[in-house]
Amino acid sequence: NAGVTQTPKFQVLKTGQSMTLQCAQDMNHEYMSWYRQDPGMGLRLIHYSVGAGITDQGEVPNGYNVSRSTTEDFPLRLLSAAPSQTSVYFCASRGPGLNEKLFFGSGTQLSVL
Amino acid sequence: AQKITQTQPGMFVQEKEAVTLDCTYDTSDPSYGLFWYKQPSSGEMIFLIYQGSYDQQNATEGRYSLNFQKARKSANLVISASQLGDSAMYFCAMREAYNQGGKLIFGQGTELSVKP
Repeated sequence: NAGVTQTPKFQVLKTGQSMTLQCAQDMNHEYMSWYRQDPGMGLRLIHYSVGAGITDQGEVPNGYNVSRSTTEDFPLRLLSAAPSQTSVYFCASRGPGLNEKLFFGSGTQLSVL
Repeated sequence: AQKITQTQPGMFVQEKEAVTLDCTYDTSDPSYGLFWYKQPSSGEMIFLIYQGSYDQQNATEGRYSLNFQKARKSANLVISASQLGDSAMYFCAMREAYNQGGKLIFGQGTELSVKP
């Protein structure tokens, strides 16, 4: 059982470039989310989705786009990368109950030069 | 809006001793869940323990227990008999049942170092 698969693991971009971080889960979870992790800031929610076709903004959505065309996939798009987007990105999913834990992907280390 | 605060950026503990990691929260939702995650230097996020706001007893999972004080809005993680492998970042997180779309919001984290 793969769980949450996140690619790539590492990426270096130049300012202004665009890219998509891929996230897929095989647990049939309706809820999926993207976080960024910066030193001293914990994990901050970028965008989340409660089901196919439904997305909403988190705490730090600026500069990022998402879509949810299927239950399994939740890609994160950087339209024009900026150095401030250098971070570690985590995708996560969970089941519907209040006590359902988040299952995390392995993370993407992104550097924007 | 929900809020999670971890006031200890770093902690040291001697191997085999117990340690308490602090977490306070703020919410207007009467139903919520509290989570603790561990992040070792490898970077993976590992779920440790869960406490529901209506749970009558403090949650325990092996060497981990959650000291839940609802009136004080605190959910401190207690690790008993610390081991060298416990050295990691620890994050407290909260999810409200009815508000905020079920988002899980994290605290800033506490870096725990276990000394031999």
